[in-house]
Amino acid sequence: NAGVTQTPKFRVLKTGQSMTLLCAQDMNHEYMYWYRQDPGMGLRLIHYSVGEGTTAKGEVPDGYNVSRLKKQNFLLGLESAAPSQTSVYFCASSYSTLGQGNGYTFGSGTRLTVV
Amino acid sequence: GEDVEQSLFLSVREGDSSVINCTYTDSSSTYLYWYKQEPGAGLQLLTYIFSNMDMKQDQRLTVLLNKKDKHLSLRIADTQTGDSAIYFCAAYNTNAGKSTFGDGTTLTVKP
Repeated sequence: NAGVTQTPKFRVLKTGQSMTLLCAQDMNHEYMYWYRQDPGMGLRLIHYSVGEGTTAKGEVPDGYNVSRLKKQNFLLGLESAAPSQTSVYFCASSYSTLGQGNGYTFGSGTRLTVV
Repeated sequence: GEDVEQSLFLSVREGDSSVINCTYTDSSSTYLYWYKQEPGAGLQLLTYIFSNMDMKQDQRLTVLLNKKDKHLSLRIADTQTGDSAIYFCAAYNTNAGKSTFGDGTTLTVKP
């Protein structure tokens, strides 16, 4: 049981380049999330999805796009990378109803540097 | 929207108890969680408490919830060096369908 897998784990981009971060989960979770983590700022929600084919904006969506074409995958795209997008990106997934205290399952993160 | 606050740092001696505090603003939060993040890793769910409970104990971990004051705490008994990590409090709102995280408390355990 792999849980949540993020690829790649590390990436260095030049300003203006584009890239896609992939998140895959094998737990049949309905909900998926993308967060960024920056020093002193905790976790900030970028976009999330409550089901296949649906996406919604979080706190800091500007400069990012997402797609959820398949239930198990949630893609985060950067169309034109900027140094301000240097961060550690985490994907998480969960059941639609957090009964029994089921929480989020997180991936191990993607460390992105934009130079 | 929901706001979740935590103190940023806590330092304790090995063998002592650690208490990490958290406050939240949305009284309709149904579940409150504690996650642990070790260096270079993602967050792992440690424990949770349902909003109609006052206390939950799980081995060395004790979660206390004061729903009136919207205050949550995590007590770690007999803290070990392996407990050094960042601990995140999170409040889940059923209507919103998502959790709001605090900024995390960095726990340092000194030998």
